[in-house]
Amino acid sequence: KAGVTQTPRYLIKTRGQQVTLSCSPISGHRSVSWYQQTPGQGLQFLFEYFSETQRNKGNFPGRFSGRQFSNSRSEMNVSTLELGDSALYLCASASGEHSLTDTQYFGPGTRLTVL
Amino acid sequence: QQQVKQSPQSLIVQKGGISIINCAYENTAFDYFPWYQQFPGKGPALLIAIRPDVSEKKEGRFTISFNKSAKQFSLHIMDSQPGDSATYFCAASTRSNTGKLIFGQGTTLQVKP
Repeated sequence: KAGVTQTPRYLIKTRGQQVTLSCSPISGHRSVSWYQQTPGQGLQFLFEYFSETQRNKGNFPGRFSGRQFSNSRSEMNVSTLELGDSALYLCASASGEHSLTDTQYFGPGTRLTVL
Repeated sequence: QQQVKQSPQSLIVQKGGISIINCAYENTAFDYFPWYQQFPGKGPALLIAIRPDVSEKKEGRFTISFNKSAKQFSLHIMDSQPGDSATYFCAASTRSNTGKLIFGQGTTLQVKP
């Protein structure tokens, strides 16, 4: 089975711009979660999508948004970029069935640098 | 109440030694506790996970010990190898929110040959 894929792997943007990141989950997985990883704040949960609906949301401003398509692929958008948005953005997929064996599998991440 | 606290921040161990990383949580609703291993330039990879109905789980050289009353859990790496040098994260979630992992701050492990 192919793992979680994220595109692009690296991105450089300037302040005020917007960016869209993409995530393709493991085949058969319907849950996609997004995390932001920074040296100072560690790994922080952004949001989770399940069957095209946002099921959970972290404590990030409204500039961070996402969506999920019918094939479970997900995109994350950040508008009006700030320097502090520079981070590794990780996507994780899971079956999403809240079962005892449900596990999140992470992609390699997208490294976003805001200049 | 959502926090997971991890210690130490960094750890240096000799090859063949035991590496021990500790985590503590406050939210008693947490019922799933995974550990992830992350190498530079890679995403976190699931190492081992435990649920609070057991006090210990072992997979190869990796063991999770769980103390429900103290709200603490730890990762033990036996016979540590240089290839184990990585950053380790503990995490927690609830069964109703398996898609939302709360992570500890991470521990950078260096195993010296």
